[in-house]
Amino acid sequence: DIVMTQSPDSLAVSLGERATINCKSSQSVLYSSNNKNYLAWYQQKPGQPPKLLIYWASTRKSGVPGRFSGSGSGTDFTLTISSLQAEDVAVYFCQQYYYIPWTFGQGTKVEIK
Amino acid sequence: QLQLQESGPGLVKPSETLSLTCTVSGGSISSTDYYWGWIRQPPGKGLECIGSIYYSGSTYYNPSLKSRVTISVDTSKNQFSLNLSSVTAADTAVYYCARHAYNFNDGVSFFDYWGQGALVTVSS
Repeated sequence: DIVMTQSPDSLAVSLGERATINCKSSQSVLYSSNNKNYLAWYQQKPGQPPKLLIYWASTRKSGVPGRFSGSGSGTDFTLTISSLQAEDVAVYFCQQYYYIPWTFGQGTKVEIK
Repeated sequence: QLQLQESGPGLVKPSETLSLTCTVSGGSISSTDYYWGWIRQPPGKGLECIGSIYYSGSTYYNPSLKSRVTISVDTSKNQFSLNLSSVTAADTAVYYCARHAYNFNDGVSFFDYWGQGALVTVSS
């Protein structure tokens, strides 16, 4: 299975400051035929299902605030929250959907400092 | 607005079969643009894909669970179902159903809509 490793496991950021979460895959998830990275980011708040934020590594889902952005290619990816808001407190997961079984990172918990 | 709702027993005895159904509303399960999947999350832990199904019945299963999993679809009821046999305490989890996008060029991709989840506890 493809292992998705996120770092850090948790981070505390002041309101209005930048939060950066990294995700590394054990194999490249870039498909050369369409030049797409098969990588998504999800946000999960307590007692709720995950919510899709970013897909194809950098495409923001409609309705997701512009402060969320995704970057990276191949095996190394980043989710950035440019200005942390109170409602962003959650666990964030990356997921690869290139190889079966599709696999998720272990999650990164974001809190307010 | 698309909605997915899991239903089924919240308590299953060890060695028995866990059965859940996901009812889709606000959209057709027969759409050619989507697969329909099951994902689980043990309490306080991460997410694991169980498997997915297309309206035609084509399936993907996680190899680690394949020998115990059956996913089926009922287009007349706009539902798809999960059966997981020979369960143990390790199968205790919140089970989510979700939709993922599909097209011929890109294949099966991200999960864009999720149900609220159903907690299934395996215990005697």
